[in-house]
Amino acid sequence: ETGVTQTPRHLVMGMTNKKSLKCEQHLGHNAMYWYKQSAKKPLELMFVYNFKEQTENNSVPSRFSPECPNSSHLFLHLHTLQPEDSALYLCASSQHGGGYGYTFGSGTRLTVV
Amino acid sequence: GIQVEQSPPDLILQEGANSTLRCNFSDSVNNLQWFHQNPWGQLINLFYIPSGTKQNGRLSATTVATERYSLLYISSSQTTDSGVYFCAVEEVAGGGADGLTFGKGTHLIIQP
Repeated sequence: ETGVTQTPRHLVMGMTNKKSLKCEQHLGHNAMYWYKQSAKKPLELMFVYNFKEQTENNSVPSRFSPECPNSSHLFLHLHTLQPEDSALYLCASSQHGGGYGYTFGSGTRLTVV
Repeated sequence: GIQVEQSPPDLILQEGANSTLRCNFSDSVNNLQWFHQNPWGQLINLFYIPSGTKQNGRLSATTVATERYSLLYISSSQTTDSGVYFCAVEEVAGGGADGLTFGKGTHLIIQP
């Protein structure tokens, strides 16, 4: 374990379903991130939360909705997804100004059918 | 935004060989990390190295920030070293906590 825990590890959902991905960090960091990794594409930054405030939204479709209730927890709410949204979703945390880098979770592998 | 280029894109080596992976970036950075992605998708942090040289066992890394490149060295390769190696940076202009920008990775295959 890296100190960043993601659940579930695997998720299969239909296009009309609503589901949520959960991320929890146990490192005392103050910034959290969602990344998407599609097949044969580089990792794409989706959302940034710095001190629980969303500071970045890289033109992500509204069918992805992030939530950061506190500095230790981050959610990604999913609804009416498309098959092309199938990917590995990775959560990361860092300490702003800490100089120790980012720590990633194990990821949730999402399949939309 | 900042650009990150990694080379080579693919590398196939025999067990025991040494390798050098390169990462070029287009602007000043305050964070540079090397990751190894295992077959299950997890990103394992190898080095946090915005400048200087570090070593950890058979792996070492050097970042020359003034020339905007970093190198990852793997010596005496083992089959367990196989996987994708990513370089990721956080640019100075953003002020921090803006997210890492990743290169496309080097896919390393170590054959027994």
